[in-house]
Amino acid sequence: QVTLRESGPALVKPTQTLTLTCTFSGFSLSTSGMCVSWIRQPPGKALEWLARIDWDDDKYYSTSLKTRLTLSKDTSKNQVVLTMTNMDPVDTATYYCARISPYGGAAVWGQGTLVTVSS
Amino acid sequence: NFMLTQPHSVSESPGKTVTISCTRSSGSIASNYVQWYQLRPGSAPTTVIYEDNQRPSGVPDRFSGSIDSSSNSASLTISGLKTEDEADYYCQSYDSSIVVFGGGTKLTVL
Repeated sequence: QVTLRESGPALVKPTQTLTLTCTFSGFSLSTSGMCVSWIRQPPGKALEWLARIDWDDDKYYSTSLKTRLTLSKDTSKNQVVLTMTNMDPVDTATYYCARISPYGGAAVWGQGTLVTVSS
Repeated sequence: NFMLTQPHSVSESPGKTVTISCTRSSGSIASNYVQWYQLRPGSAPTTVIYEDNQRPSGVPDRFSGSIDSSSNSASLTISGLKTEDEADYYCQSYDSSIVVFGGGTKLTVL
């Protein structure tokens, strides 16, 4: 059974850097074809894809946010880490990690974690 | 890059059938798989349709998906509507290596 869980701070101050961790089970990011994406949803707004990291360490970022995002993975811990710099109140959102493969298969999402940006 | 356009909201009565559309702005809808997600407040998003028309185990067969090349769109159809189906639904596809979401459709069952 594939599961993912997000963890990180619930509150960050403007200009700070956000670090979120996705811990997953039921698959390995060292297996060909596997990937993990980050998605967010501001309150009352639509889903927004942020970034994806693949089994071979290829990384892809949202065009609008790529200067602020960094992805990394720790295959031995089954974790993916997303950092987002220079946080702003408009970045307040529920942040999800998910396995959404471009090669098929049903996507599996984490529960999400609400991050509020406020001084 | 392409966009996926969904109606902002739809509503229907219990027991009826509703269809939510997802129109791709450029490129062929058949070029990349389309998935559909259900989002309920306080719950993790769940996949109701993957690979255009496949249903994950545990998803009722009241949910079905299709694509139509003539209108360059995908559709999610829910038959025999139940009040528990009330939720936001998002379509999603890939543009090269980028994940693209539709704007979401709020389904009201009343």
